[in-house]
Amino acid sequence: EADIYQTPRYLVIGTGKKITLECSQTMGHDKMYWYQQDPGMELHLIHYSYGVNSTEKGDLSSESTVSRIRTEHFPLTLESARPSHTSQYLCASSAQLNTGELFFGEGSRLTVL
Amino acid sequence: QKEVEQDPGPLSVPEGAIVSLNCTYSNSAFQYFMWYRQYSRKGPELLMYTYSSGNKEDGRFTAQVDKSSKYISLFIRDSQPSDSATYLCAMSEMGNTPLVFGKGTRLSVIA
Repeated sequence: EADIYQTPRYLVIGTGKKITLECSQTMGHDKMYWYQQDPGMELHLIHYSYGVNSTEKGDLSSESTVSRIRTEHFPLTLESARPSHTSQYLCASSAQLNTGELFFGEGSRLTVL
Repeated sequence: QKEVEQDPGPLSVPEGAIVSLNCTYSNSAFQYFMWYRQYSRKGPELLMYTYSSGNKEDGRFTAQVDKSSKYISLFIRDSQPSDSATYLCAMSEMGNTPLVFGKGTRLSVIA
């Protein structure tokens, strides 16, 4: 069982609101990731981090920001939510880079009205 | 052209059938190949992992990689209703690059 937690699991919010999706892992993994997943579409990498104070943008510009102040914590913030941000957001972590095993959280389903 | 192509299905099979799931890719630098399984309302979990070309078997599951054709497959033997899920292929290069995922194939195994 993976020890990676996301909150909230479900969020319905109005346009223009600021939201933060939380992600925490207790495995001591250096590498953490945020993916966006829509039905029938690929997982799109939004942001990733290879360690504390290190963050990179992925291939999808989602107008979001991340921070990595602590190893175990990797929150994703949307400053001004829009209906186009409606999606499933998945957080993941890994100990090794290319040997494959990402541990995913259960996801945060965001709906922006 | 997308880096990784995967037919999203849906695919519906009777219990006990052999299932074949496939992905093609365009980046010849990919070296690591994975299959993830995702149940409804859950995050993906690693099912199979293969480095470079060849086959790997784990119980009812077999993963195959054909780098010359840029084609990977996942076979499920004696499929069970509990195998009903979305199966995502993923792959990466050597070095400091994140995984690239396919769209996922939604599989239903009917009892």
